[in-house]
Amino acid sequence: QQQVKQSPQSLIVQKGGISIINCAYENTAFDYFPWYQQFPGKGPALLIAIRPDVSEKKEGRFTISFNKSAKQFSLHIMDSQPGDSATYFCAAAWGTPLVFGKGTRLSVIA
Amino acid sequence: DAGITQSPRHKVTETGTPVTLRCHQTENHRYMYWYRQDPGHGLRLIHYSYGVKDTDKGEVSDGYSVSRSKTEDFLLTLESATSSQTSVYFCAISESDRSNQPQHFGDGTRLSIL
Repeated sequence: QQQVKQSPQSLIVQKGGISIINCAYENTAFDYFPWYQQFPGKGPALLIAIRPDVSEKKEGRFTISFNKSAKQFSLHIMDSQPGDSATYFCAAAWGTPLVFGKGTRLSVIA
Repeated sequence: DAGITQSPRHKVTETGTPVTLRCHQTENHRYMYWYRQDPGHGLRLIHYSYGVKDTDKGEVSDGYSVSRSKTEDFLLTLESATSSQTSVYFCAISESDRSNQPQHFGDGTRLSIL
């Protein structure tokens, strides 16, 4: 069974702080690692993604760090804002379809 | 937003009844997927389609069937609904099977089986 393990399940961060969500995978054939953001009542939306040939990718306040040898990757949200409060899913794939982590509910409080 | 419409958006039904959920896309994407989302389980793949009349099973396919007679429509059927199938169902689409092709999701169908 291919798995992606995500932690923590829930996270509370002060406004302006850094939110960090971690994922670990088992299948070394995975070659694509996206993060999805989901707001209540909506479907998941692609936030940022990385391939294993790079160790970091940054888009605005969102950064993915990737450690191939440890088979881990993480999402960092800098200067977290209340509007970032959502559920975040990591995922992994080789070809199709995606395998998802169980999600992290992020609450950013003022 | 990707042109994905799921219908119905909400449904309440009784155990043992058949239920069909519809996913309609206007993007002409080849790949379509059905996931279910449950607390503590994340998103789990039920079935997916890689073309008209071409489908394959996912992780949690038992009790579900799918059909795709047109590129734009992907139907998910619960032949005899059970309470364990109460969930939020999401349809997704992607242009190809290349792993770096993003999957775009609809806004889901909340299904309650009493």
